[in-house]
Amino acid sequence: SAVISQKPSRDICQRGTSLTIQCQVDSQVTMMFWYRQQPGQSLTLIATANQGSEATYESGFVIDKFPISRPNLTFSTLTVSNMSPEDSSIYLCSVARTGVDQPQHFGDGTRLSIL
Amino acid sequence: LAKTTQPISMDSYEGQEVNITCSHNNIATNDYITWYQQFPSQGPRFIIQGYKTKVTNEVASLFIPADRKSSTLSLPRVSLSDTAVYYCLVGDINTNAGKSTFGDGTTLTVKP
Repeated sequence: SAVISQKPSRDICQRGTSLTIQCQVDSQVTMMFWYRQQPGQSLTLIATANQGSEATYESGFVIDKFPISRPNLTFSTLTVSNMSPEDSSIYLCSVARTGVDQPQHFGDGTRLSIL
Repeated sequence: LAKTTQPISMDSYEGQEVNITCSHNNIATNDYITWYQQFPSQGPRFIIQGYKTKVTNEVASLFIPADRKSSTLSLPRVSLSDTAVYYCLVGDINTNAGKSTFGDGTTLTVKP
């Protein structure tokens, strides 16, 4: 399976600021995703990061708040903009390859706290 | 949308076999069933995936009945290190990731 690195692993930020999270994969993958996991909760898909085009956002998530880039097949960024305490959460990157029965593999996430 | 239902929590003892069942009545023809394990401060880790019947790997078995409306993850001879949250995920990630939603997960506690 692919090795996924996320940076930073954790951060504490002031409200109103923005933070960009990086996701680097050790091999080319077709699909990259960004999830949010609030404390004690399950994972919620934010968006699918599309290489060379705009990300596909799930209901309840918008590009202005969570801009995503994916310049190539091994790298993506998620920015959490104009942060508020409600954005305190774990943000996870996952990847998958095209093909039947290809599961997702996850990074260890970025733990974000907003003061 | 293939919604999944799992028990919120389960307790077991070291050395026992643990079976966690997931219900997914609305599973679609193209959907696969995938199980993940998550420890605190880590991302979910892939355990096993299947489409029908039985799948076995070095850590677990997955049983899927003919109607595919449920699945059972079987962990043989659990140890304390198997204490974690286990998620069942149903969907076809390659065609519509948004419909592959995580359920609430099952918190498994293994006791000595």
